[in-house]
Amino acid sequence: QQQVKQSPQSLIVQKGGIPIINCAYENTAFDYFPWYQQFPGKGPALLIAIRPDVSEKKEGRFTISFNKSAKQFSLHIMDSQPGDSATYFCAASSVGSSNTGKLIFGQGTTLQVKP
Amino acid sequence: DSGVTQTPKHLITATGQRVTLRCSPRSGDLSVYWYQQSLDQGLQFLIQYYNGEERAKGNILERFSAQQFPDLHSELNLSSLELGDSALYFCASSAGAGETQYFGPGTRLLVL
Repeated sequence: QQQVKQSPQSLIVQKGGIPIINCAYENTAFDYFPWYQQFPGKGPALLIAIRPDVSEKKEGRFTISFNKSAKQFSLHIMDSQPGDSATYFCAASSVGSSNTGKLIFGQGTTLQVKP
Repeated sequence: DSGVTQTPKHLITATGQRVTLRCSPRSGDLSVYWYQQSLDQGLQFLIQYYNGEERAKGNILERFSAQQFPDLHSELNLSSLELGDSALYFCASSAGAGETQYFGPGTRLLVL
């Protein structure tokens, strides 16, 4: 019940395309859903995060869509660029109930944006 | 640069040995988290400290231990190392529990 399932495992798009990465969870106590971007040899960096009281959040070219009833959320990258080529992780935590903030990560999606 | 520092960057050691990984959180952050990243297990939460006290425990082996010191830096101790402990170990910090976590650059551990 603590798992977060992420798909696809890898994704190749052309420059300007809109890659979509999906995540699903079981634990209804999760109340914080961040997305992290990781480049080779670097630590994960927060891209954008959402809480379940909203269905969509946009920050620049990155958008999270959240479906509470389906227990799913997804990341859309608009006008993708070769510099967006990285590994993306979704995560979830139950801050409200546990007060810990520990993140449960999906397995990651390796994105390649071709020029 | 996230403001979280980790030392050393790389560590090569032998099975059965003990190592200590160090993490300095961002200035003002009270919470420190340790995560392990391996190819087969992905990013796994190990343990969290908040202002010197253990707050949460994840899939941390009994051979592993951690602590957070009064100056808020943290150390992760790995003992009786096995080949399977080879991984990237990340430290993250946040202002409080549930706040945005900022990750350090990681320590790459190779056990031979």
